[in-house]
Amino acid sequence: SQQGEEDPQALSIQEGENATMNCSYKTSINNLQWYRQNSGRGLVHLILIRSNEREKHSGRLRVTLDTSKKSSSLLITASRAADTASYFCATDPYGSSNTGKLIFGQGTTLQVKP
Amino acid sequence: DVKVTQSSRYLVKRTGEKVFLECVQDMDHENMFWYRQDPGLGLRLIYFSYDVKMKEKGDIPEGYSVSREKKERFSLILESASTNQTSMYLCASFSVGTHLGNTIYFGEGSWLTVV
Repeated sequence: SQQGEEDPQALSIQEGENATMNCSYKTSINNLQWYRQNSGRGLVHLILIRSNEREKHSGRLRVTLDTSKKSSSLLITASRAADTASYFCATDPYGSSNTGKLIFGQGTTLQVKP
Repeated sequence: DVKVTQSSRYLVKRTGEKVFLECVQDMDHENMFWYRQDPGLGLRLIYFSYDVKMKEKGDIPEGYSVSREKKERFSLILESASTNQTSMYLCASFSVGTHLGNTIYFGEGSWLTVV
């Protein structure tokens, strides 16, 4: 079952602009993760934020988590053409016993124009 | 780096054929997964394995089976391929004991076309 819903479904920006993607989920979680998928390839883990964290940074990525609203956002600053990809949020449901059975959203397709 | 290798990137099979999709991981991970990915539907879990010879159905197991005879290898089997199984298939693995949190590692995907 798909718990995460991402918004927008597609985003097109110019190089150098910031890109913000949002994810909402329905149940309590242990953590929330963001993955990136280049066209026709597998998913690659970007960043993980635990349920007791509110913000996390990794390079040009900034993730926030609001557990009261059951939502997260991924901000990519100073975007580059190479950031063009699909971005997925994935939640690790509370009580999942550390199985790795994440629930993925349907993704946001980001296009960064040179 | 963890490596998850899917043996076939692109396959074309005929309706009714038996299809094997192979996946191997090199990091001694306990858990392995098979997903399919379709436009507009995101990733859907087909099967999950938490140990050798142990498996659990995911959200869409119908028409599929799996085999895990060795810890590093997880195979997805389409007993009789049908056109509605045309899709991108993704294998993933996960270490229960990871210190990094529940991060899973994906293979590059297998594009299956059933004609």
